[in-house]
Amino acid sequence: DQQVKQNSPSLSVQEGRISILNCDYTNSMFDYFLWYKKYPAEGPTFLISISSIKDKNEDGRFTVFLNKSAKHLSLHIVPSQPGDSAVYFCAASSGNTPLVFGKGTRLSVIA
Amino acid sequence: EAGVTQSPTHLIKTRGQQATLRCSPISGHTSVYWYQQALGLGLQFLLWYDEGEERNRGNFPPRFSGRQFPNYSSELNVNALELEDSALYLCASSLTEYYGYTFGSGTRLTVV
Repeated sequence: DQQVKQNSPSLSVQEGRISILNCDYTNSMFDYFLWYKKYPAEGPTFLISISSIKDKNEDGRFTVFLNKSAKHLSLHIVPSQPGDSAVYFCAASSGNTPLVFGKGTRLSVIA
Repeated sequence: EAGVTQSPTHLIKTRGQQATLRCSPISGHTSVYWYQQALGLGLQFLLWYDEGEERNRGNFPPRFSGRQFPNYSSELNVNALELEDSALYLCASSLTEYYGYTFGSGTRLTVV
């Protein structure tokens, strides 16, 4: 039973364009959502998060949108840069429980 | 500030043997989490330790166990290794009840 789903295993975007990574969840108790980025041979690094009381959070080129009614969140990267090429994981939590991660989406930004 | 450190980086074991993986959290972090990243399966939660106690356990068999020491470092033990245990094992630490985990680079376990 996968509670956090990233249905696109991979995504290719041209440099300078927008990258949109999507994530769906099934557990309505989730109240905090995060995105992590992972390069090969490194551990995941925290990118951006959003609480369920908000519907948008921005940090520089990265924006996360949350649609609670649709149980959907997305990460927008504008403009995309070659250094953004990595695997992106969506994660969610409810109360004081460990993060539940999706399977990840591999983003390739083409110069 | 030193990050989360894991050792060894790589580990090769034979089926049926035991593996021990180690993790040192960021100084001041009291919670340690273990995750398994098997091929195509994303990060699967294994164990959570906080203040020396096991707080939560994922859907893994009992042969996956661990502990947290008084200095908050942790070890993960996998007994009776099976081929499907081959994966990247990631350790993360955080302040208790804070969602921003900091991950180590992982231990790549290969069971042959």
